[in-house]
Amino acid sequence: GIQVEQSPPDLILQEGANSTLRCNFSDSVNNLQWFHQNPWGQLINLFYIPSGTKQNGRLSATTVATERYSLLYISSSQTTDSGVYFCAVPMNSGGSNYKLTFGKGTLLTVNP
Amino acid sequence: NAGVTQTPKFRILKIGQSMTLQCAQDMNHNYMYWYRQDPGMGLKLIYYSVGAGITDKGEVPNGYNVSRSTTEDFPLRLELAAPSQTSVYFCASSYTHPGLAGRAYEQYFGPGTRLTVT
Repeated sequence: GIQVEQSPPDLILQEGANSTLRCNFSDSVNNLQWFHQNPWGQLINLFYIPSGTKQNGRLSATTVATERYSLLYISSSQTTDSGVYFCAVPMNSGGSNYKLTFGKGTLLTVNP
Repeated sequence: NAGVTQTPKFRILKIGQSMTLQCAQDMNHNYMYWYRQDPGMGLKLIYYSVGAGITDKGEVPNGYNVSRSTTEDFPLRLELAAPSQTSVYFCASSYTHPGLAGRAYEQYFGPGTRLTVT
């Protein structure tokens, strides 16, 4: 199956700083999602981005499928950005894309 | 539109007890999923369903059963609960590419059920 690695595992920022989170995967994918798990455990959809670039407010994501990585950018971070950020891709390359495997996540702490 | 709902939010079971975790979605999604999340880890797929009457195993199905009698509901059954099943359980759903079997868009998650087995 496809392996997913996220980096860094932990990140501490001061409010207002920018950050880049990375997701590497071991084979070609036709589905990639970024999630934010807030401190209350809720999973929030950030991006569905199998390829290309998307932006939503202070957050943006880029997936370079041919290079097997995706990046999540957080600009002007706020304390409410704290939590764990997960990347998820299909378990196997080709064909069906709906059985997801998750990385271990990046724990982001934004201090006031 | 409530999205994906799960009940209960919390539950404590004794070893050997059984229970059913409920999941419902009102988005008319064909595909539904159950995941578990252990502390400090990502989610792992337990079971999934591509439509009413059709279910299949994911990565970690042992100790669980599912059924899908309607499009909206996808309950997860734990038989003979064990401490190893202490976890947070998430239900999710997604809609599919028209005309493309096995291809789905993004998954939407419920709020989770925190289960402790002692």
